[in-house]
Amino acid sequence: NAGVTQTPKFQVLKTGQSMTLQCAQDMNHNSMYWYRQDPGMGLRLIYYSASEGTTDKGEVPNGYNVSRLNKREFSLRLESAAPSQTFVYFCASSEAWSRSGNTIYFGEGSWLTVV
Amino acid sequence: RKEVEQDPGPFNVPEGATVAFNCTYSNSASQSFFWYRQDCRKEPKLLMSVYSSGNEDGRFTAQLNRASQYISLLIRDSKLSDSATYLCVVKPANAGKSTFGDGTTLTVKP
Repeated sequence: NAGVTQTPKFQVLKTGQSMTLQCAQDMNHNSMYWYRQDPGMGLRLIYYSASEGTTDKGEVPNGYNVSRLNKREFSLRLESAAPSQTFVYFCASSEAWSRSGNTIYFGEGSWLTVV
Repeated sequence: RKEVEQDPGPFNVPEGATVAFNCTYSNSASQSFFWYRQDCRKEPKLLMSVYSSGNEDGRFTAQLNRASQYISLLIRDSKLSDSATYLCVVKPANAGKSTFGDGTTLTVKP
């Protein structure tokens, strides 16, 4: 059982380049999330998808777009990367957006550096 | 004011010590509470949920104080392997979005 799988694990981009981070979960979860984390700092929610067919902005959505391709897959796109987007990106999923006691499962992270 | 606040530490303790972390939250409608653990350069993982009556899992004890709006995590008999960052997570009823604290870093030394 792979859980949450995200790719790539490491990426270096030049300013202005675009890229898509891919994420898939095999736990039949309804909700999926993209977070970013500055090393030594907290997690910030970029976008989330409460259920298949819906996406919503989180705390820090500027400069990003997402696509909930199907129940399993949720991708994050940087259209024009900037050095300020150098973070570790975590994809995550949970069984249900509104359920109490809702455990969030994270992927292993994608280390993105924009130069 | 942040929705969820934690003392960032670092907490440096010797093996065998008892250490406690607190986390305060500002939204009185918060319904669910958790502690996650994050090892260096790894993803966060659920350590334990926090129940109203308090709960224990081996050396770990979690407490909730709704009146003062804080949760705590107590680690007894610290092990070297407990060295990590501990994230407090708060979730309101119905709204869905979980809020993570910035984490408290613990280093257990021999």
